[in-house]
Amino acid sequence: NAGVTQTPKFQVLKTGQSMTLQCAQDMNHEYMSWYRQDPGMGLRLIHYSVGAGITDQGEVPNGYNVSRSTTEDFPLRLLSAAPSQTSVYFCASSYRLAGYEQYFGPGTRLTVT
Amino acid sequence: AQSVAQPEDQVNVAEGNPLTVKCTYSVSGNPYLFWYVQYPNRGLQFLLKYITGDNLVKGSYGFEAEFNKSQTSFHLKKPSALVSDSALYFCAVIRSGSARQLTFGSGTQLTVLP
Repeated sequence: NAGVTQTPKFQVLKTGQSMTLQCAQDMNHEYMSWYRQDPGMGLRLIHYSVGAGITDQGEVPNGYNVSRSTTEDFPLRLLSAAPSQTSVYFCASSYRLAGYEQYFGPGTRLTVT
Repeated sequence: AQSVAQPEDQVNVAEGNPLTVKCTYSVSGNPYLFWYVQYPNRGLQFLLKYITGDNLVKGSYGFEAEFNKSQTSFHLKKPSALVSDSALYFCAVIRSGSARQLTFGSGTQLTVLP
């Protein structure tokens, strides 16, 4: 199993540009989520999905969109990049029940200038 | 609402000494508690979890954690630290039966000195 994969590993955007961060998992997990990691703030939940066709907002959803057309894929779209979105982004997946641990991808380091 | 506090940004310990990384939580209802570790330029890796049962939980790489309901704590421990344990450690909580919104602490950087 490849686990959770993310592309790209690094990205530099100019303010106002849009892009999609890709996330895929091959473990047949129902639950997938996107976090951003900023120094001293831990991980903050952006959006999550409990299954194909179902998404919901997390703690910091503004400026981001998601969709879940398949169990495997959960892309994160930045609509109009802002310097405040400079961060490291992690995708995670797990089985649906709350007691299961999450598996994390390697992350995407995004810089918005 | 649920929250996690990791009161120490940095913990330094000598190799071979015991280590403790502290975590306290706040949640309505019964908590599920997790510890994750992050090595430089990597994603988070699961270490251990408390769901129910024995308050002392054993996990990967010789780590263990003790759930203390009265003190709402879930401290991570290891009897003898290794230099390779140096990493960023995150505690996380979720209320049992909730819609999967895991809340993370701000992280504790552990440095094991040779």
